[in-house]
Amino acid sequence: GENVEQHPSTLSVQEGDSAVIKCTYSDSASNYFPWYKQELGKRPQLIIDIRSNVGEKKDQRIAVTLNKTAKHFSLHITETQPEDSAVYFCAASRGSARQLTFGSGTQLTVLP
Amino acid sequence: DGGITQSPKYLFRKEGQNVTLSCEQNLNHDAMYWYRQDPGQGLRLIYYSQIVNDFQKGDIAEGYSVSREKKESFPLTVTSAQKNPTAFYLCASSIAIETQYFGPGTRLLVL
Repeated sequence: GENVEQHPSTLSVQEGDSAVIKCTYSDSASNYFPWYKQELGKRPQLIIDIRSNVGEKKDQRIAVTLNKTAKHFSLHITETQPEDSAVYFCAASRGSARQLTFGSGTQLTVLP
Repeated sequence: DGGITQSPKYLFRKEGQNVTLSCEQNLNHDAMYWYRQDPGQGLRLIYYSQIVNDFQKGDIAEGYSVSREKKESFPLTVTSAQKNPTAFYLCASSIAIETQYFGPGTRLLVL
């Protein structure tokens, strides 16, 4: 089955700096890669996603890049703000089976 | 997200007891999912259902059971066979392939 590894497990940045979280996946058939943000005790919220026919996608301060050859994808957050502090999860989809395999999460802390 | 509800918010289970977690959605989504989240870890898939009256085991189905009698509802039963049930349980649904939206979760604790 699919295996998704996520790094780093914790990340602290100064407010205004950029943050990068990286994930690798094992199943070359995976074709959908969402990123979720989860605040303490809350539900995961989809923040951005990318499909395998696209190399990069941006939404304001958030961007995701995908390298299919290397089987890795990354989340980039620019101009970080304290409200960006949360746990971020990457995931990969096993194609038409609609199953998501999640990474283990990154605790992002933005220091004021 | 607001169209997916889970109840109760907190649930306490005694040894040997079966408990059922509710998940309801009014988004007309075809597929529904149950995940388990342990502290400091990612989400692991328990069961999923793509259509009514059909469901499939996920990665950690042992000790759990589900039903999908209605499109809107996908209850999860944690049976006495699940020896370590303490966790945060999240239900999700989707209409398009792969885009999943989550409910608010149920925190299950063992007495």
